Amino acid sequence: NSKVIQTPRYLVKGQGQKAKMRCIPEKGHPVVFWYQQNKNNEFKFLINFQNQEVLQQIDMTEKRFSAECPSNSPCSLEIQSSEAGDSALYLCASSLDRYAEQFFGPGTRLTVL
Amino acid sequence: GDSVTQTEGPVTLSEGTSLTVNCSYETKQYPTLFWYVQYPGEGPQLLFKVPKANEKGSNRGFEATYNKEATSFHLQKASVQESDSAVYYCALGITGNTGKLIFGLGTTLQVQP
Repeated sequence: NSKVIQTPRYLVKGQGQKAKMRCIPEKGHPVVFWYQQNKNNEFKFLINFQNQEVLQQIDMTEKRFSAECPSNSPCSLEIQSSEAGDSALYLCASSLDRYAEQFFGPGTRLTVL
Repeated sequence: GDSVTQTEGPVTLSEGTSLTVNCSYETKQYPTLFWYVQYPGEGPQLLFKVPKANEKGSNRGFEATYNKEATSFHLQKASVQESDSAVYYCALGITGNTGKLIFGLGTTLQVQP
């Protein structure tokens, strides 16, 4: 069973509000991924890190989303100004290296009213 | 571009019958193939991965063979149980990118007692 911890499990925000979620990767896993899963079960890759460095991020992430993985602190994903279309399950995964198996947390379900 | 296509669901089976979920992929690079399973309210769990062509992965009675010629990775189980009811995802990892996974749209399996 995965040991990736995500908090909070549920998040409700109004449009324009900030939404922040956190992820603690499995111990010893230096690579962290964030994905967005919409109500149609489509996965969208957002960003990934190796230790504290960004490996890749998509355009959407560069504009309204910000993310970090500081040393000795949880990783975080923040949406600066939430939109209705951001309502989704946000999944964090970690792995031993960028090509190894990814282990997912339970997700943070964001609802933007 | 890189993509994954899998059996559209939902698939409804009776306990004890066999399961096949088709998965095909497209990429011009070197893939590693994964099957994940997601239960309600949880993140995806890794079933298994297969990094090499013509090799088989297996776990919990599920198995799939990476067929490079047919670019397929079909999931099979000889005898399903009610507890197998979940959504199954085929995923593609590309060597040479930063490790993000490309997921299929998922196949919902419902097993009736």
